[in-house]
Amino acid sequence: EVQLLESGGGLVQAGGSLRLSCEASGFTFSNYAMTWVRQAPGKGLEWVSTVSGDATSTYFADSVRGRFLISRDNSKNTLFLQMNSLRVEDTALYFCAKKSAYCGTDCLGLFDPWGQGTQVTVSS
Amino acid sequence: DIVMTQSPDSLAVSLGERATINCMSSQTILHTSKNKNYLAWYQQKPGQPPKLLIYWASTRESGVPDRFSGSDSGTIFTLTISSLQAEDVAVYYCQQYYRTPITFGQGTRLEIK
Repeated sequence: EVQLLESGGGLVQAGGSLRLSCEASGFTFSNYAMTWVRQAPGKGLEWVSTVSGDATSTYFADSVRGRFLISRDNSKNTLFLQMNSLRVEDTALYFCAKKSAYCGTDCLGLFDPWGQGTQVTVSS
Repeated sequence: DIVMTQSPDSLAVSLGERATINCMSSQTILHTSKNKNYLAWYQQKPGQPPKLLIYWASTRESGVPDRFSGSDSGTIFTLTISSLQAEDVAVYYCQQYYRTPITFGQGTRLEIK
């Protein structure tokens, strides 16, 4: 069974940094692109960033480009999101998600399954 | 960016009745050589992460009840629940995965009337 377990969230002041982790199990981690999606309180879903299985390609939403870094350690089956220069509007529940097996080589953004999420709160 | 617009924002349907949610993309999300629309539907129940229901606009994920179906007409996509059950109360999101930035619709909240 595929399992994704996020951690690293918390309360931080604007301008600060946090590093989120997502520990994966139940599949060959290095074979799949991985993604972070966030959900602000009471709001919808926002794609944040994706990294390819071999970590050679990364993709970012404009809202976080230049502030967030995505990486992975395939030897430890772990995905990371380094969040710098945090803003109040970055407050959200951050989910990690695995690329679906139904999504081929030309497809990055079909997500299945998702983790339970880790809460990030940025105060002013 | 490809904008995904869902309608309605909320919907109340009686148990056993049909529920229909629409989603419109601002650009084509049809991969012409594969003849596939890069459109997914997710279900999010309170306190849970989203769950993939349908991909390629109309292919049901394994284990999803067959009362859920997806269809498309150009850049308009529809999620239909043929006979609403109590456990279907959730927020439903469409999502395009044709190109980055990957974008979601704003969500449709489905409730029991």
